[in-house]
Amino acid sequence: SQQGEEDPQALSIQEGENATMNCSYKTSINNLQWYRQNSGRGLVHLILIRSNEREKHSGRLRVTLDTSKKSSSLLITASRAADTASYFCATADGGYSTLTFGKGTMLLVSP
Amino acid sequence: DADVTQTPRNRITKTGKRIMLECSQTKGHDRMYWYRQDPGLGLRLIYYSFDVKDINKGEISDGYSVSRQAQAKFSLSLESAIPNQTALYFCATSDPLLSGSHEQFFGPGTRLTVL
Repeated sequence: SQQGEEDPQALSIQEGENATMNCSYKTSINNLQWYRQNSGRGLVHLILIRSNEREKHSGRLRVTLDTSKKSSSLLITASRAADTASYFCATADGGYSTLTFGKGTMLLVSP
Repeated sequence: DADVTQTPRNRITKTGKRIMLECSQTKGHDRMYWYRQDPGLGLRLIYYSFDVKDINKGEISDGYSVSRQAQAKFSLSLESAIPNQTALYFCATSDPLLSGSHEQFFGPGTRLTVL
């Protein structure tokens, strides 16, 4: 069964705007990761946040994690057309064994 | 050269045929994974292997088998393909000890169509 669930399923914005995607999960985790997928291609890792961290930044990306609410958000600031892709959250349990992926948010950034 | 490669990239086959998808990696990672992706369903884990002698079933292993021929090679087989196995298949690798991270590195995918 899917662990992470992204919200919204699809998001359409203009270049320069910020994009926020949310992820909710069900069980305790060791870390949560965000991946990006350009249409039909392999996933690319963006950022990892550990269960004892609350916020993490990487370039134009900001990730937050609220373990009490079992949720995470990914913020992309000053979006560009090249950010158009699907974004997936993935959770790793305490055993570090495997990742469980959500269904993804499809982001469209229009010029 | 790509670190994780998959062959073939596209395959069309008929119901009942045996199909093998291959994955090779040059990253030196111990862990390898096979996922399938269906529209609107995200990625689901089929099988994974943490070293050459280790094979584990994932969420949706029925109808699939795997072989870890070497550290660098992990093959996925469909013994008797059926139409609902039509999907995009991804191989991935990771090695927390080697890379210091739990991130996974994905291949470009194989698009499989079963008629």
